[in-house]
Amino acid sequence: DAGVTQSPTHLIKTRGQHVTLRCSPISGHKSVSWYQQVLGQGPQFIFQYYEKEERGRGNFPDRFSARQFPNYSSELNVNALLLGDSALYLCASSLLGHPNTEAFFGQGTRLTVV
Amino acid sequence: TQLLEQSPQFLSIQEGENLTVYCNSSSVFSSLQWYRQEPGEGPVLLVTVVTGGEVKKLKRLTFQFGDARKDSSLHITAAQTGDTGLYLCAGSRNNNDMRFGAGTRLTVKP
Repeated sequence: DAGVTQSPTHLIKTRGQHVTLRCSPISGHKSVSWYQQVLGQGPQFIFQYYEKEERGRGNFPDRFSARQFPNYSSELNVNALLLGDSALYLCASSLLGHPNTEAFFGQGTRLTVV
Repeated sequence: TQLLEQSPQFLSIQEGENLTVYCNSSSVFSSLQWYRQEPGEGPVLLVTVVTGGEVKKLKRLTFQFGDARKDSSLHITAAQTGDTGLYLCAGSRNNNDMRFGAGTRLTVKP
């Protein structure tokens, strides 16, 4: 079975541009969460989606948005990129949307903003 | 301020030694998970603990959830070079997001 897949694996963007990152969850999983991991730190929660609805949002500016599609895949969009947005963006999928469900991560998308 | 504080931040030991890393919070969690992350990859789930006082063993790794469900520890016996990595704890409360600590970076030298 395929695990969580993210694309692209690496990306270089210029300040001010926008970016779209994609995530396909494990087959049968209905919940997708997005995290930002800056070098040397733990992942910071950005969004959680369950059954196409936003279930949680972390402390990130409105430049960050996301959505989940009927097939449970998800996109994370970031507008007006800043140098500080450079990070590893992680997607995690889980079977259900409640807290005790185990989350499984993709390999991440490494975004570099120059 | 991190919701979950992990200590130590860095740990370097010789192969064969034992070690314990800690994850502490002032908040109560409905569950807590431990992950290991290799450079350039996503975190890999090691264990989930749910019940206060719970102890889980995974080969040479022993995980404990505090009685009050505010803290956890990970003990590794006879560390191996393959144990090297970033160990992350993550807690879930009654809402749906999972919050991570900053991690303990473990290096096991041969």
